[in-house]
Amino acid sequence: DAGVIQSPRHEVTEMGQEVTLRCKPISGHNSLFWYRQTMMRGLELLIYFNNNVPIDDSGMPEDRFSAKMPNASFSTLKIQPSEPRDSAVYFCASSWSRRGGEQYFGPGTRLTVT
Amino acid sequence: AQSVTQLDSHVSVSEGTPVLLRCNYSSSYSPSLFWYVQHPNKGLQLLLKYTSAATLVKGINGFEAEFKKSETSFHLTKPSAHMSDAAEYFCVPIQGAQKLVFGQGTRLTINP
Repeated sequence: DAGVIQSPRHEVTEMGQEVTLRCKPISGHNSLFWYRQTMMRGLELLIYFNNNVPIDDSGMPEDRFSAKMPNASFSTLKIQPSEPRDSAVYFCASSWSRRGGEQYFGPGTRLTVT
Repeated sequence: AQSVTQLDSHVSVSEGTPVLLRCNYSSSYSPSLFWYVQHPNKGLQLLLKYTSAATLVKGINGFEAEFKKSETSFHLTKPSAHMSDAAEYFCVPIQGAQKLVFGQGTRLTINP
């Protein structure tokens, strides 16, 4: 079982550039979650999808952030334009959507914006 | 809404001694609760989950947790610590149907 796959694992970019993070959930899972982790704020849920449909995006910081899930096996989180305060580790997780369903996390993408 | 309190931000034990990481929950009904572990520079791994089927829950790597309604607690234990157990541990409730609510966690240090 491949687990949740994220790419790239590390991204360094300059302020103002567009950044795209990618996630492939576990096959058969129908819920996908994007989180951001920083020392100051801990682990925050940004957005989650059920059956490719965004359900709750209340954690998305601002309009510079957008997420899509065009099909059951792929999702992207885009930041445009990026800012230094966006530097964090971004995690993707997937689960089978039933009440109390456990989430399985990917290895994360470490983003540094200079 | 469900919430938890991890009573210790940092726990330090010697290798081979028992581990106790404390978690109290606040809820008017039986919650769904998880323990996750995060090793340095790694993603989060599910250790175990409680969903009211059994009060004593066994997880991976020798960890277990007991749900005690009378004490509103869900403490994580392990009989004998190993160096590889050094990590951050999160007691996590479910909010609504699917949202996990992560707090600051407990950092476990293992002394040789």
